[in-house]
Amino acid sequence: GAGVSQSPSNKVTEKGKDVELRCDPISGHTALYWYRQRLGQGLEFLIYFQGNSAPDKSGLPSDRFSAERTGESVSTLTIQRTQQEDSAVYLCASSLANLQEDEQFFGPGTRLTVL
Amino acid sequence: SQKIEQNSEALNIQEGKTATLTCNYTNYSPAYLQWYRQDPGRGPVFLLLIRENEKEKRKERLKVTFDTTLKQSLFHITASQPADSATYLCALGRFGAAGNKLTFGGGTRVLVKP
Repeated sequence: GAGVSQSPSNKVTEKGKDVELRCDPISGHTALYWYRQRLGQGLEFLIYFQGNSAPDKSGLPSDRFSAERTGESVSTLTIQRTQQEDSAVYLCASSLANLQEDEQFFGPGTRLTVL
Repeated sequence: SQKIEQNSEALNIQEGKTATLTCNYTNYSPAYLQWYRQDPGRGPVFLLLIRENEKEKRKERLKVTFDTTLKQSLFHITASQPADSATYLCALGRFGAAGNKLTFGGGTRVLVKP
């Protein structure tokens, strides 16, 4: 079956521009996560959505970052007024239910480069 | 603050040998721990889960141990193959009122030489 998909795969933007990254989770997965991975580093949690509950935004690094999710489907991560330090790979993951130790299924990521 | 440490230096190992990776944590009480594999340019892929009340888990050539006293997990790849070359990430999780959340270590790169 289809896995988690993300678009675009690569995004180059100029400092100060806004960008929108998209994630399509696996159908039926109620939990959705966004992570940031800087070059050669581990995953940094940004935000997660669980069903209709309020999202956990505790990992968002600044108010320039926001995310939305439509029901239990597509999610978009928006970065406003991008800065060079925002350059990283942004990974999305989904899991079946966030009530157990369910494995997370990751998309291929969006590589963001801010010039 | 919470800290999860994995050896940042790459592990070079000869084919057929056992690779052993460590994941140490401080200021954290995980309910479970997961290991993921990440290949260049790809998202992580789940390998194994071990819960806090379990000492050891095995899956094919993989073995994970979890010592909550030492605050450490060891990840072993036995009879290593060049195809095992990748970065391996440990992730600690615990249950929350609003759901679960994983905290990832920085990963250890493994290079298996034929």
